[in-house]
Order: sequence, then C-alpha cells, then structure tokens
Amino acid sequence: DAGVIQSPRHEVTEMGQEVTLRCKPISGHDYLFWYRQTMMRGLELLIYFNNNVPIDDSGMPEDRFSAKMPNASFSTLKIQPSEPRDSAVYFCASSLVPDMNTEAFFGQGTRLTVV
Amino acid sequence: DAKTTQPPSMDCAEGRAANLPCNHSTISGNEYVYWYRQIHSQGPQYIIHGLKNNETNEMASLIITEDRKSSTLILPHATLRDTAVYYCIVNNIYNFNKFYFGSGTKLNVKP
Repeated sequence: DAGVIQSPRHEVTEMGQEVTLRCKPISGHDYLFWYRQTMMRGLELLIYFNNNVPIDDSGMPEDRFSAKMPNASFSTLKIQPSEPRDSAVYFCASSLVPDMNTEAFFGQGTRLTVV
Repeated sequence: DAKTTQPPSMDCAEGRAANLPCNHSTISGNEYVYWYRQIHSQGPQYIIHGLKNNETNEMASLIITEDRKSSTLILPHATLRDTAVYYCIVNNIYNFNKFYFGSGTKLNVKP
C-alpha cells in the first residue's frame, strides 16, 4: 500500500475562494482523521470518521470548514470561504480500530496558503 | 485528560543513545503512553506505545516508571535521520478526540 495519500501537496489561494483538500486513506482502515498544524497551535484534531460516518467534529474551527467521506477510499476537507488565518499544513491520517495494537498513519500533508 | 511535559529541545551525538523524557503525572489507569515523531515537513510517524510495561521495537524502547508518572523514549543509536520533533502523548485508546500532540521535544542529532 502506498500509505495515506493527500492532494494537493501545496495550495495557494486568494482569500474568499473555496479550497478542497483530498485524502485517500490506507485500504481497509476504518478510521480517518483530519488534523491542522500551525506554529501557534501545533497539531489539532479537526474531525474524525469511523466507517465513513463523522464521529466527532468538535475540532472544526467554524462553519466555513466542512468534511465529507463519501466512501471508504476518499475524504475531502473543504474551506469556503477561505481566510488568511486558515493558512496551515493539513494532515490526513487513517487507522484500523483504535485499540491497543493499532497506530495512526499520516499522509504527507497539504500546505495551504491563503493570501 | 492527562497532559504531558517534555523539554523543548535536546542534543545528541550521532551513534549515541538518545533518551527523551516525558512527565505525565496525572495519567489515569486506562491511559496509554504513545510516542510519535515528526521529521521536518512530513506527517507524524508512530514510534511506540505502552501501558505499564517497558516496550521495545525495531525503532526504540519505551521505559515507563512503576508509578507511571513519567516515561523515557530511548533511541539506542541515534542517526542524523532521527533529527525530528518527538511527541509524547497520553490517551485513552478509545478517545481519539482527546489525542493531544502538545509541543514535543526537538531532538537534534549532531555528527
């Protein structure tokens, strides 16, 4: 397996535009996580899915952010409209059932810059 | 939830053992200690985890004190590629919404 795949790797957009980040989890993994990383706040969990169903979105900063998982092999994180303070690296991760013997595998991230 | 305390940075000579400490004095009985690392510009990478016994894998060893209030991650023979930020995380395995990374320890491995 190629691991968790995120696209694009880099995104530069203008304030007010819609941004869509994409993630392909590892095949067979039941859980998918979206994280955001900034210098100020470090790594923050935004939302996670279990079997394509959103379980906890309490980390989503505001209504401008939305995430979907239409099937087991694809998820999106959308920001509409984008703002400069959304600039960050966004990571997607996946894992099997989070019991004591599993780990989360992270993608390479998408570096978002909103100008 | 328990939180962790780690030194912001450490240096280690290449080829020597790197010992990274972590304090988690408020850890509860059902919480595991996890270690991840993040090499510059990459996603975090799992290293090891444990409950109360010492653990070892191909990457590292994890030593947890008997009272579980602190732990040490040991990289037995550090290489330049081990330069990264190391995160110690305490978490109930069923509470992914509480998986708090903190600021970690920047390990600098020097030739």
